[in-house]
Amino acid sequence: NAGVTQTPKFRILKIGQSMTLQCAQDMNHNYMYWYRQDPGMGLKLIYYSVGAGITDKGEVPNGYNVSRSTTEDFPLRLELAAPSQTSVYFCASSYSRPGAGNEQFFGPGTRLTVL
Amino acid sequence: QKEVEQDPGPLSVPEGAIVSLNCTYSNSAFQYFMWYRQYSRKGPELLMYTYSSGNKEDGRFTAQVDKSSKYISLFIRDSQPSDSATYLCASQAAGNKLTFGGGTRVLVKP
Repeated sequence: NAGVTQTPKFRILKIGQSMTLQCAQDMNHNYMYWYRQDPGMGLKLIYYSVGAGITDKGEVPNGYNVSRSTTEDFPLRLELAAPSQTSVYFCASSYSRPGAGNEQFFGPGTRLTVL
Repeated sequence: QKEVEQDPGPLSVPEGAIVSLNCTYSNSAFQYFMWYRQYSRKGPELLMYTYSSGNKEDGRFTAQVDKSSKYISLFIRDSQPSDSATYLCASQAAGNKLTFGGGTRVLVKP
């Protein structure tokens, strides 16, 4: 199993450009998540999905969009890149049951710089 | 006030020492508690996962949860230079999202 994979590893964008960060998992997990991590800070949840076709906002969703058309894939879209979106983005997945805890498995991250 | 608080460190210890890491949390609904290890420029990896109060041991790692004082601890025995990393605590209410602390950077010196 590859686990959670993310592409690209690095990207530099100009202000106003858009891009899609790709995330895929091969563990048949129902839940998937997108986080951002700023230097010296913990992880902040951007969006999450509890299954194909279902997404919901996290703590910091502004400036981002997501879709979940399959169980495996959960792309994150930045429409109009801003310097405040310079960060490291992590995708994660978990198998979760209602009312239970869940262990999240993380991808290697995408390091994004907006200039 | 952040829901999960963690001293950012850095925490520097000599090789072989015990590393003691702590978090406090404010949400009484949290029932699940995790520790993640994150090496520089890598994604977090799950180290320990505990439910409710009590201790859990896995090799050199011991996790403790005291729900009465809302205190989470991780101990690393016989620390190695390879333990140098940032350690993130996380808490969760049943069926809810994880809330992470800011992470503590640990440096184990040979």
